[in-house]
Amino acid sequence: QLVLTQSPSASASLGASVKLTCTLSTGHTTYAIAWHQQQPEKGPRSFIKVNSDGSHYKWDGIPDRFSGSSSGAERYLTISSLQSEDEADYYCQTWGTGIQVFGGGTKLTVL
Amino acid sequence: QVQLVQSGSELKKPGASVKVSCKASGYTFTSYTMNWVRQAPGQGLEWMGWINTNTGNPTYAQGFTGRFVFSVDTSVSTAYLQIRSLTPEDTAIYYCARGINDILSWGQGTLVTVSS
Repeated sequence: QLVLTQSPSASASLGASVKLTCTLSTGHTTYAIAWHQQQPEKGPRSFIKVNSDGSHYKWDGIPDRFSGSSSGAERYLTISSLQSEDEADYYCQTWGTGIQVFGGGTKLTVL
Repeated sequence: QVQLVQSGSELKKPGASVKVSCKASGYTFTSYTMNWVRQAPGQGLEWMGWINTNTGNPTYAQGFTGRFVFSVDTSVSTAYLQIRSLTPEDTAIYYCARGINDILSWGQGTLVTVSS
């Protein structure tokens, strides 16, 4: 079964860096994923696509502070020089034959 | 630029139906699948299914069969989500989202509230 696992919460200080993790289920470790940001009281916004080889593609307007990477079954979103507006829920998403799957989301708090 | 503009908030009584629209612009509507995603209050994102905008063929996720209907009107580049026999558990924000693999763009969301 295709499942994405995320830690429910993360926190880091203003100006610091943070790495969020999304883990693919067994048997699906070569899948690409996409990260989506949802700021408080707003709809989701597509952010970054991360491939299994670690290459990533950012949508227009996404700051350079955001980057994606990969290791085995894990896909990462790294945010450097944290700003207050980065405080949001971050969801990973993947796809299979006839199905889309979302992770449970990670709530990022900027201290 | 690409835009998905959804219809406004709805307040419905239990047992009623609701139809949410999602009007696309800035791209060829029939070139991309349209997904529907539910977000219950305080909860995460849940994929409801998608519709092939070229053929009109829908695919429904587990838990979203029977009362949920996806449709499209290509003449106005609009996708629709209809929910029948509403219950309070259907209270949520519903999003349309463009993309067959990675989701490329999102509508602003439509709040559907079901209350007597």
